[in-house]
Amino acid sequence: GAVVSQHPSWVICKSGTSVKIECRSLDFQATTMFWYRQFPKQSLMLMATSNEGSKATYEQGVEKDKFLINHASLTLSTLTVTSAHPEDSSFYICSARDFRGAQETQYFGPGTRLLVL
Amino acid sequence: GENVEQHPSTLSVQEGDSAVIKCTYSDSASNYFPWYKQELGKRPQLIIDIRSNVGEKKDQRIAVTLNKTAKHFSLHITETQPEDSAVYFCAALFTGNQFYFGTGTSLTVIP
Repeated sequence: GAVVSQHPSWVICKSGTSVKIECRSLDFQATTMFWYRQFPKQSLMLMATSNEGSKATYEQGVEKDKFLINHASLTLSTLTVTSAHPEDSSFYICSARDFRGAQETQYFGPGTRLLVL
Repeated sequence: GENVEQHPSTLSVQEGDSAVIKCTYSDSASNYFPWYKQELGKRPQLIIDIRSNVGEKKDQRIAVTLNKTAKHFSLHITETQPEDSAVYFCAALFTGNQFYFGTGTSLTVIP
């Protein structure tokens, strides 16, 4: 299957700092990527849809000024958690849709664990 | 709003028995329904998916059934093995091109 990478895999930062997470599709172009957040023992919650060359679409209740998304190229989307606070500590996972082949499939990155102290 | 419900939240079965997980969705226009397996601390892995033009799909010990009229789909795992123990998520692709996930089912296969 297709490969989606995320960097970094682990982040520990002080409250008030900003953290950037990168999501890359390594062997295919992704015009659309998705950002999810997962708290322990809970489901994946869609935060926003990242669209190449245009603004991201945020889910209700997700602050767009808090979670900045940039989809600068067909293989890279970034999520920046601005002025992070302890309640932002979570597991952030991106995914990308692969339209190659007969039918599209969604592949997930390995996730980024963010701990805000 | 958009919604995917999943039941049960936890499921324990004896090794060799079958496990069934059910999901319902709210958007009648949804046409793609994947199932993911997630082990602790790892990314979700696609295990099987079904599209709205078929009612059932099987891949070895795993099968998925879809009832579009009732807006529900189910995951069936037969001859369960300890390595099947994980959290399973259903998902549905809604008309806004977003995926929404069910709440997850923690499956434990008892040796």
